[in-house]
Amino acid sequence: GAVVSQHPSWVICKSGTSVKIECRSLDFQATTMFWYRQFPKQSLMLMATSNEGSKATYEQGVEKDKFLINHASLTLSTLTVTSAHPEDSSFYICSASRPPGAGQYFGPGTRLTVT
Amino acid sequence: DQQVKQNSPSLSVQEGRISILNCDYTNSMFDYFLWYKKYPAEGPTFLISISSIKDKNEDGRFTVFLNKSAKHLSLHIVPSQPGDSAVYFCAASSDGGSQGNLIFGKGTKLSVKP
Repeated sequence: GAVVSQHPSWVICKSGTSVKIECRSLDFQATTMFWYRQFPKQSLMLMATSNEGSKATYEQGVEKDKFLINHASLTLSTLTVTSAHPEDSSFYICSASRPPGAGQYFGPGTRLTVT
Repeated sequence: DQQVKQNSPSLSVQEGRISILNCDYTNSMFDYFLWYKKYPAEGPTFLISISSIKDKNEDGRFTVFLNKSAKHLSLHIVPSQPGDSAVYFCAASSDGGSQGNLIFGKGTKLSVKP
């Protein structure tokens, strides 16, 4: 079946630095990818929709200058957390769209800890 | 305001018995509902879905029931197995489940005891 991978699976960084997370669709082309964030004991919250070759669409309350999304190819989307702060520590998950009515394929997630 | 609610944070069931996970929603524009299973430190995996034009969808041990008038859906797992122990998320969309925004509930942690 289709697989979506994320790299890295976990990362620890210092406050003020930037971190890049990659999301790849391994055996299919994804024109649309999604980035979610999950805080402990909370639901997955959509951060942005990433469309290949165009600008990402951000959800309300998500800072587009802080969370930079690039979807340069049909198999790769990247999320860069710029000037990370401890409150950005979270579990970041990407997903790729499936045929209509079939939900989304999710990546395994990236645990970000900002110290 | 939460549009998708899973009011039970946890559920414990004996192996072989039925697990019933519940989900309520408030947005009448939702037309597609999905259940995802998630293990710790992993991304969610798609389990089963249902369109708003149906009231039941079955796939092996998993059955999803939809009651539109009550804005309620449930996931039945029978018989439950220890490997079913995970967090189950209910999600809804208003675009036929194709590409758009999935609204997730907070999840219910299912523990199936041998």
